Amino acid sequence: DGGITQSPKYLFRKEGQNVTLSCEQNLNHDAMYWYRQDPGQGLRLIYYSQIVNDFQKGDIAEGYSVSREKKESFPLTVTSAQKNPTAFYLCASSQADFYEQYFGPGTRLTVT
Amino acid sequence: SQQGEEDPQALSIQEGENATMNCSYKTSINNLQWYRQNSGRGLVHLILIRSNEREKHSGRLRVTLDTSKKSSSLLITASRAADTASYFCALTLISNFGNEKLTFGTGTRLTIIP
Repeated sequence: DGGITQSPKYLFRKEGQNVTLSCEQNLNHDAMYWYRQDPGQGLRLIYYSQIVNDFQKGDIAEGYSVSREKKESFPLTVTSAQKNPTAFYLCASSQADFYEQYFGPGTRLTVT
Repeated sequence: SQQGEEDPQALSIQEGENATMNCSYKTSINNLQWYRQNSGRGLVHLILIRSNEREKHSGRLRVTLDTSKKSSSLLITASRAADTASYFCALTLISNFGNEKLTFGTGTRLTIIP
């Protein structure tokens, strides 16, 4: 099956700890994205990558970091500097920049 | 704000009826996309309409775009219980840095009553 996988589905962390969310795709897409969704809100772009070994900040990059060492993988690290990390995190990919995006199932992160 | 604004925020209709939701925006766009999100899940792309197009169809979906009024509508005909979801419009526009960006609205929550 082609698609995007995110793991884990639910993640719990203590405040002050860094946590890495996984995102893998086998669609052979060049572009990958990380979004954050808060209750009743739309999606806000955290980081995106148009090509391996390159990525750009989105609208709310502070407190987050990413890497793109392989075309298939785009992990997101939520650092302790992120003031309000509890949210639903969605990873997506697309064939061309910002066109039809394919989304993973999401990871719900709770930090207490 | 550069994001689209969906209207209404919530909509409940009887199964079999048509559902219409709207998206208005303020900036120039390259294209506009509609996505569906079932509760607690990822988004699913429904349709993309380019700025030089006025109407597109896909199955029971009909999307219109009026760039003069800066608005788009999504019509779902003959609704089914499985259409219950949140629907988001997403705008592709040119950012201040000259590259494209995609911004999502806050969504319309559609409930189909069996």
